[in-house]
Amino acid sequence: GENVEQHPSTLSVQEGDSAVIKCTYSDSASNYFPWYKQELGKRPQLIIDIRSNVGEKKDQRIAVTLNKTAKHFSLHITETQPEDSAVYFCAAISDRGSTLGRLYFGRGTQLTVWP
Amino acid sequence: EPEVTQTPSHQVTQMGQEVILRCVPISNHLYFYWYRQILGQKVEFLVSFYNNEISEKSEIFDDQFSVERPDGSNFTLKIRSTKLEDSAMYFCASSEGLAVTQYFGPGTRLTVL
Repeated sequence: GENVEQHPSTLSVQEGDSAVIKCTYSDSASNYFPWYKQELGKRPQLIIDIRSNVGEKKDQRIAVTLNKTAKHFSLHITETQPEDSAVYFCAAISDRGSTLGRLYFGRGTQLTVWP
Repeated sequence: EPEVTQTPSHQVTQMGQEVILRCVPISNHLYFYWYRQILGQKVEFLVSFYNNEISEKSEIFDDQFSVERPDGSNFTLKIRSTKLEDSAMYFCASSEGLAVTQYFGPGTRLTVL
């Protein structure tokens, strides 16, 4: 099955700096890659996603890039703010094969933004 | 904006007891899921459900687990005889289709003593 690796596990940045979180996946059939933000004790919330037919997507301070050939995708947060502090999970999913619709998550990155 | 809801928010049970976790998916969604998250670990897939039957289940989802959609709105996860290692946060999710956004509920924290 799919294996999603995520780095780093923890990331501390100063307010206003950029943060980058990287993920790799193993299954070339994966074609949808969401990113979730999870605040302590809360549900995972989708913040951005990208499909395999797109190389980059941006939404205000958040962007995601995808390299299908290398099987990796990254989350970029610019001008970080303290409220960006949370655990961020990448995930991969395929709509083909035996694992239809199953989200495979990375291990998460604890992002801390210091004021 | 519609949200997935779950009850209870916290369930404490004795080892060997049965528990039922309840979820109300978003009303026009067709695919339903259960995931779990052991404290400090990644979210793990348990089962997916479509058209009133299981689409896929993980190796975690053994005979002690079952899912049901007893009516048009609820989606339940039953653990027949709980073990200590079942202690985790259980998230329900739903989606309109395959390989599209899955919306998560707030979770049920299950503590098995």
